[in-house]
Amino acid sequence: NAGVTQTPKFQVLKTGQSMTLQCAQDMNHNSMYWYRQDPGMGLRLIYYSASEGTTDKGEVPNGYNVSRLNKREFSLRLESAAPSQTSVYFCASSGRTLGTGGMAFFGQGTRLTVV
Amino acid sequence: QKEVEQDPGPLSVPEGAIVSLNCTYSNSAFQYFMWYRQYSRKGPELLMYTYSSGNKEDGRFTAQVDKSSKYISLFIRDSQPSDSATYLCAMGFGTGGYNKLIFGAGTRLAVHP
Repeated sequence: NAGVTQTPKFQVLKTGQSMTLQCAQDMNHNSMYWYRQDPGMGLRLIYYSASEGTTDKGEVPNGYNVSRLNKREFSLRLESAAPSQTSVYFCASSGRTLGTGGMAFFGQGTRLTVV
Repeated sequence: QKEVEQDPGPLSVPEGAIVSLNCTYSNSAFQYFMWYRQYSRKGPELLMYTYSSGNKEDGRFTAQVDKSSKYISLFIRDSQPSDSATYLCAMGFGTGGYNKLIFGAGTRLAVHP
């Protein structure tokens, strides 16, 4: 089972460049999420989509945009990358929203370095 | 003060030891609690899920929630080198409208043969 698939796995960007991180899930989940993980900070929510057609800001949305392309796919875009966005990015999905007891299943992560 | 506190470790134990991992939290509104295991350079994988207080056992793993003390624990019996990973606690609210999990920073565990 593929579960949650993220592409690319690694990326190096120069300051000011843009890129889109792709995420797809094959579990027929309604809700999808983007997190970033930094040392000592745990996982922090960037944006989420409770269902197809809706997106909402999480804890650290500045500098990012998202698109819920369809039920399976949820992309994260960095319009003008900054060194502070160097992090590991995880996409997750859940059958029920996390606000109603859903369990999050994560992808393998995208390791992004901005120089 | 962070909403969820977790000792980052590292915690190093010999194979076969009983491991105790803990998190404390400040918000009494949390209703469900999870433990995730994350191997190096991999995504977190759900290990245990509990709702409200009490114990839950799954094989060598036991999750314990004490809501009165705002304290959760994960016990690993007969620890194995394959248990070496970072363990993240996560907590959520049982009502809609606040759609996120709050994660601890993670505890790094090393089980040596």
